[in-house]
Amino acid sequence: SYVLTQPPSVSVAPGKTASLTCGGNNIESYSVHWYQQRPGQAPVLVISDDSDRPSGIPERFSGSNSGNTATLTISGVEAGDEADYYCQVWDSFGDPWVFGGGTKLTVL
Amino acid sequence: QVQLVESGGGVVQPGRSLRLSCAASGFTFSRSAMHWVRQAPGKGLHWVALISYDGSNTYYADSVKGRFTISRDNFKNTLYLQMSSLRAEDTAIYYCAREKGLPSRPERFFDYWGQGTLVTVSS
Repeated sequence: SYVLTQPPSVSVAPGKTASLTCGGNNIESYSVHWYQQRPGQAPVLVISDDSDRPSGIPERFSGSNSGNTATLTISGVEAGDEADYYCQVWDSFGDPWVFGGGTKLTVL
Repeated sequence: QVQLVESGGGVVQPGRSLRLSCAASGFTFSRSAMHWVRQAPGKGLHWVALISYDGSNTYYADSVKGRFTISRDNFKNTLYLQMSSLRAEDTAIYYCAREKGLPSRPERFFDYWGQGTLVTVSS
């Protein structure tokens, strides 16, 4: 089945830009979705279809997808952005809904 | 507003069964595909099962196939997960999640999640 690879952790200072990556073989041919999960809470959709932002999600969150890497970019990082972030795709082989292992974003 | 409220979790012995429920409100439940996604303690998210808007189609992760059954009652706006032959590795928070899209055009991602219910399989 399709495998998505995320770095376990990323650290960033407040006000800076965080780039969270999600790697997969030819991932640019997939639609990538991103979820934020704050400690003790349920996941929240922050980006769908590579770069679409649901209503209520700040413009600071953006996404891109090219080659073998999809990226979630958070600009002007705030303390409240500290969370685990998961990428997800749908694949027609194996278990269809596939998640990456998640990246813990730490705001320094 | 959309609300998904799970219930039915608890501590269960290996080999036993448990049924989870997810009460939905704030949207037309009968027009949405629904899923169960689980998260083992301290681990990542893993998809478990899907049921189509009308219950006519179901799909399962290989890890639960033959042991878990997803179902829905569109009159009661409720999603279920019947879990049997439970194993220690089934210990997790179980989330119900709505799939974005229409019956004719599913979008293959989750736009709303419940708060989850914890299932612990232990003797």
